[in-house]
Amino acid sequence: EAQVTQNPRYLITVTGKKLTVTCSQNMNHEYMSWYRQDPGLGLRQIYYSMNVEVTDKGDVPEGYKVSRKEKRNFPLILESPSPNQTSLYFCASSPQNTGELFFGEGSRLTVL
Amino acid sequence: KNQVEQSPQSLIILEGKNCTLQCNYTVSPFSNLRWYKQDTGRGPVSLTIMTFSENTKSNGRYTATLDADTKQSSLHITASQLSDSASYICVVETNYQLIWGAGTKLIIKP
Repeated sequence: EAQVTQNPRYLITVTGKKLTVTCSQNMNHEYMSWYRQDPGLGLRQIYYSMNVEVTDKGDVPEGYKVSRKEKRNFPLILESPSPNQTSLYFCASSPQNTGELFFGEGSRLTVL
Repeated sequence: KNQVEQSPQSLIILEGKNCTLQCNYTVSPFSNLRWYKQDTGRGPVSLTIMTFSENTKSNGRYTATLDADTKQSSLHITASQLSDSASYICVVETNYQLIWGAGTKLIIKP
């Protein structure tokens, strides 16, 4: 089944404790992206990747890192999480940077 | 500034009724417009895409319209079902960027 898989789905952590949210897609898509979704706001792009070893900042990259060592994986790293990073995070992929995005199920992160 | 505004913010209707969701955009240049459906706790799923030359497109009980002159789009849902309860998000593409609306939360009551 074609899908984008995120882990963990739910996480509660404390300020400053590094964490990684994994994202994997099995559709051989070149383009992958991370978004955060907060109440009353549209999806905001954190980082995106056009292909392996190619990543770029989105609209809200501060406090986040990403890597794209393999085509299928695009982990999101929070080196020192803060409470303002409490949010619902979505990973998405697409055959190209334009076109339909395929989203994961989301990862709800709470930073205390 | 490129913006996408959706209205209403939320809407409650009875099962079986029709409804229309609005999307106004101030995005230039315009490439295309998509409507996504997002069930609670799930990722968004594409419903339809509208290009500049398209006025109307249907996907089952969903019909999207686009007026490129007034920069407005609508999503009409016919004979609503309980499974239509979700957030509906309008996204406009410009210069290889996506501008996301905040969404309309639709609740269908039995």
